[in-house]
Amino acid sequence: QLQLQESGPGLVKPSETLSLTCTVSGGSININNYHWGWIRQPPGKGLEWIGSIFYSGSAYYNPSFRSRVTIFVDTSKNQFSLKLSSVTAADTAVYYCARLTMVAVPDYWGQGTLVTVSS
Amino acid sequence: QSALTQPPSASGSPGQSVTIYCTGTSSDVGGYNYVSWYQHHPGKAPKLMIYEVSKRPSGVPDRFSGSKSGNTASLTVSGLQAEDEADYYCSSYAGGNMGVFGGGTKLTVL
Repeated sequence: QLQLQESGPGLVKPSETLSLTCTVSGGSININNYHWGWIRQPPGKGLEWIGSIFYSGSAYYNPSFRSRVTIFVDTSKNQFSLKLSSVTAADTAVYYCARLTMVAVPDYWGQGTLVTVSS
Repeated sequence: QSALTQPPSASGSPGQSVTIYCTGTSSDVGGYNYVSWYQHHPGKAPKLMIYEVSKRPSGVPDRFSGSKSGNTASLTVSGLQAEDEADYYCSSYAGGNMGVFGGGTKLTVL
């Protein structure tokens, strides 16, 4: 059974960079026909697409984040990671990693991790 | 990339049916037959309930069904049960390896 687990600091200071890693177990990240993505949910709000990456390293970002976000993959560790720079309180959210089908359907999700932006 | 539009809440009594609508544009819902629905209980990972408008993953009860007309998709839950109470999100492929979500609908079983 494929499992995804997010990890990283739960507290980030304003203007700093948020960094999260998703570890994939029970399957390889090196597969065709799927890519790997990040989705977030601010408190009291809906889900928001951040971006995704193929194992080859090709990444795609929501234009709302494009100038601040980087997603990269480490196939040797079966992990992919998110960096979001210049964070503000508005970036406080539960961050999920997910496996995505070729038509961007998240079919496996991590449990999510809460990241709070506060000084 | 604007969020898809969902009603903030819906409700029904046990055994009844309830339908949740999700409205997008010709660039997402109307342009592709790749609408999905997720059930989300707070504190848990979202669960895929419907994909490609009307298909159910293995293990999802046939009480859950989906459809689409033009730029609007819908999720119908028949024979409501207490455990169906959750937040429901729609999503659609929006091109360029990207998706877009709806704002979510809180389903209450009365």
